[in-house]
Amino acid sequence: AQSVTQLGSHVSVSEGALVLLRCNYSSSVPPYLFWYVQYPNQGLQLLLKYTSAATLVKGINGFEAEFKKSETSFHLTKPSAHMSDAAEYFCAVSPYNQGGKLIFGQGTELSVKP
Amino acid sequence: DAGVTQSPTHLIKTRGQQVTLRCSPISGHKSVSWYQQVLGQGPQFIFQYYEKEERGRGNFPDRFSARQFPNYSSELNVNALLLGDSALYLCASSLVERSTDTQYFGPGTRLTVL
Repeated sequence: AQSVTQLGSHVSVSEGALVLLRCNYSSSVPPYLFWYVQYPNQGLQLLLKYTSAATLVKGINGFEAEFKKSETSFHLTKPSAHMSDAAEYFCAVSPYNQGGKLIFGQGTELSVKP
Repeated sequence: DAGVTQSPTHLIKTRGQQVTLRCSPISGHKSVSWYQQVLGQGPQFIFQYYEKEERGRGNFPDRFSARQFPNYSSELNVNALLLGDSALYLCASSLVERSTDTQYFGPGTRLTVL
């Protein structure tokens, strides 16, 4: 069965610092990969997705992620954190040929210190 | 354009009762999926419907059921509620049911079972 592991349930950075949120997947066939953000008491908003085109994917709000097949990773980065980036971030896989089913990681809560 | 809408926003039920949650997809979207998000965890896939047919089911008991209507809206029903059913229930819609399709999430229904 496919799964997603997000390393670090909580990450804290200073405003202006690099944001790095880690995501590893397990799959015999490279899946499609997504990063979503969830603000308190809200639904999930898509940041970016990888669907086997370019391995470096740029998303909204200055976020980007790089698909590395050899490392089975899809880490999310942002060069400079902003206070408004504080939220819960979820990595998800959509298994190949299983419709739109998403398998989510446990989530990483990002805190941004002034 | 309106996003995915869900009703009600909050719901309080007691053990053994039944509950119905409703979801309206983005206009033009034909696929609806349901997820359960327990506090502190990532969303778990419950169902996917496409063109009124069930296309996927997660590892949930038969107490959970759903349907999709001709206008593509959907209902999730949960019978014989347990304390463990307390969660945020998220509905997501997508154009079709491809693995590459972006799923757009609603704000969720917060269900509390006492």
